Amino acid sequence: DIQMTQSSSSVSASVGDRVTITCRASQSISNYLNWYQQKPGKAPKLLIYAASRLQSGVPSRFSGSGSGTDFTLTISSLQPEDFATYFCQQSYSSLPFSFGPGTEVVVK
Amino acid sequence: QVQLQESGPRLVKPSQTLSLTCTVSGGSIDIGSYYWSWIRQPAGKGLELVGQIFTSDSTNYNPSLKSRVTISMDTSKNQFSLELSSVTAADTAMYYCASMYSGSYGRRYFDSWGQGTLVTVSS
Repeated sequence: DIQMTQSSSSVSASVGDRVTITCRASQSISNYLNWYQQKPGKAPKLLIYAASRLQSGVPSRFSGSGSGTDFTLTISSLQPEDFATYFCQQSYSSLPFSFGPGTEVVVK
Repeated sequence: QVQLQESGPRLVKPSQTLSLTCTVSGGSIDIGSYYWSWIRQPAGKGLELVGQIFTSDSTNYNPSLKSRVTISMDTSKNQFSLELSSVTAADTAMYYCASMYSGSYGRRYFDSWGQGTLVTVSS
């Protein structure tokens, strides 16, 4: 199975900050990497698919990059509604299409 | 995008079978390119894909759960269902149904989710 890791379990930031969240795959997954945002008590929401493609309706302050094993989600200017947990997920191989453990963006 | 809604018992006894149904609205589950999926999340933990169904004859299960999982679909009701047998406390989690789009260049992602239903395994 492909294992997904996220370098930090939490990131402290202030409104207006540029925030970077990283994700690493245990083997190359090309660009088969998706990012989701989850707020407490809510279902995850797709932000980015295929490593860098913005899902329709998602603000342009969110962007994704990377290929192979290392990926990054960037929030260019953090907004109050962006405090949440962010998960990466690989869709390269067959099931289980593993998720990363999540990175929580908290108030500095 | 479609809307999804989970339903089913929220309390299941150990060793029994967990059964959930997802009702899809705003689109047909007969449409191509979509895998209808079950994902679970224990409290305070990460997400785990339980399994998914494409057509009545095409299912994919998480290898770690495969021996206990059955996913089926009822196109006449626009629903798909999960059965997880021989449950233990470790199966206590929020269970989400979701649609996974499978498109060109192998792109696959979960683009619509239900609100989730918390299932507790306890006697």
